[in-house]
Amino acid sequence: GAGVSQSPSNKVTEKGKDVELRCDPISGHTALYWYRQSLGQGLEFLIYFQGNSAPDKSGLPSDRFSAERTGGSVSTLTIQRTQQEDSAVYLCASSLGGLAPPYEQYFGPGTRLTVT
Amino acid sequence: SQELEQSPQSLIVQEGKNLTINCTSSKTLYGLYWYKQKYGEGLIFLMMLQKGGEEKSHEKITAKLDEKKQQSSLHITASQPSHAGIYLCGANQAGTALIFGKGTTLSVSS
Repeated sequence: GAGVSQSPSNKVTEKGKDVELRCDPISGHTALYWYRQSLGQGLEFLIYFQGNSAPDKSGLPSDRFSAERTGGSVSTLTIQRTQQEDSAVYLCASSLGGLAPPYEQYFGPGTRLTVT
Repeated sequence: SQELEQSPQSLIVQEGKNLTINCTSSKTLYGLYWYKQKYGEGLIFLMMLQKGGEEKSHEKITAKLDEKKQQSSLHITASQPSHAGIYLCGANQAGTALIFGKGTTLSVSS
């Protein structure tokens, strides 16, 4: 079946603009995760949605970052007033269940965000 | 918080040679994931290990989990150019999403 898809694949934006990144998880997966991958920083967790539970936002770096998951499926990560340090690849993953017990997380191809 | 350290950071091997990548945790490992990433692409799931002593294989890649040493190793036998990429280990941190090591970049020369 179809894997996790993300759009756009590349986004170039000017400093100070808002951006929206979209993630379509694998159908039937109840858990959805956003990660950020920066040069020199590795891959860091941002936010986690599991079913109808309140999301775990503990990884969001600032209040300029927010995410929604509508209808338990598609998710949008929004970055307001983008800064150059926001430039990174934003990866989305989904899994059949949550974290206890752990399930395999399947990743999308990512959105490469460049803030000029 | 838990940290994962991978070694080596990068590796160049000749085609046909064996190699091992290690992932060491600062805390007890309850679940360990291995992923592979090619430049500009997402992460490809390789294996998940949950129990101490567990060993899994997929084609020429074998991963083991040593809970006592809080370590996992990924071994590739008879490496091929298709094995080139970045290998990342990840682990569950206190019931939340995965934390990752910084990755090991593997190059295979023919």
